[in-house]
Amino acid sequence: EVQLVESGGGLVQAGGSLRLSCAASGFTFSNYEMNWVRQAPGKGLEWVSYIAGSDGTIYYAASVKGRFTISRDNAKDSLYLHMNSLRADDTAVYYCARGASSGWYPLDFWGQGTVVTVSS
Amino acid sequence: EIVLTQSPDTLSLSPGERATLSCRASQSVSGGHLAWYQQKPGQAPRLLIYGASSRAPGIPDRFSGSGSGTAFTLTISRLEPEDFAVYYCLHYGRSHTWPFGQGTKVDIK
Repeated sequence: EVQLVESGGGLVQAGGSLRLSCAASGFTFSNYEMNWVRQAPGKGLEWVSYIAGSDGTIYYAASVKGRFTISRDNAKDSLYLHMNSLRADDTAVYYCARGASSGWYPLDFWGQGTVVTVSS
Repeated sequence: EIVLTQSPDTLSLSPGERATLSCRASQSVSGGHLAWYQQKPGQAPRLLIYGASSRAPGIPDRFSGSGSGTAFTLTISRLEPEDFAVYYCLHYGRSHTWPFGQGTKVDIK
């Protein structure tokens, strides 16, 4: 069974930093692209960042570029999001989501999310 | 960058009725790489449809997707009580971004 479990969320002051983790199980982690998606309170879904399975390709949304860093450790089946210079509008539930293993496929499995609250 | 616009924002229907949700793209979606998700309060999104019209594993056949180019539709043939939720479309092509629509809430009339 595919499982994604996020952790690391919490309350942080504006300008601070936080590192989110996502532990994956039930599939060959290194074969899959992975993403972070967030959802501000009462709002819609916003894609944050993408990382390829093993070739190092990374993309960011314009809203987080230069402040957030996505990474993965395939030996530990884990995905990370390092968040710096946090702002009040980064307050959201952060989900990790599995992408494609090959070809074109959307985000199919999602974790339950971890809550990040940035106080101003 | 592709922008997805969903309509309507809210759809008020009764159980047993047909729901038709629209997702329009600001430019043509290559390869039909358009997905639909369902999200209930306090839960993660669930993949319903991919490739514009293919149902994800385990999704009931009352859910169907159609469309191409810039216009896509999610249809729920007969609403069940558990279908009242928010629905999002997503483009997952080679644009190096993964834009979502703003969502359509299907609520009970």
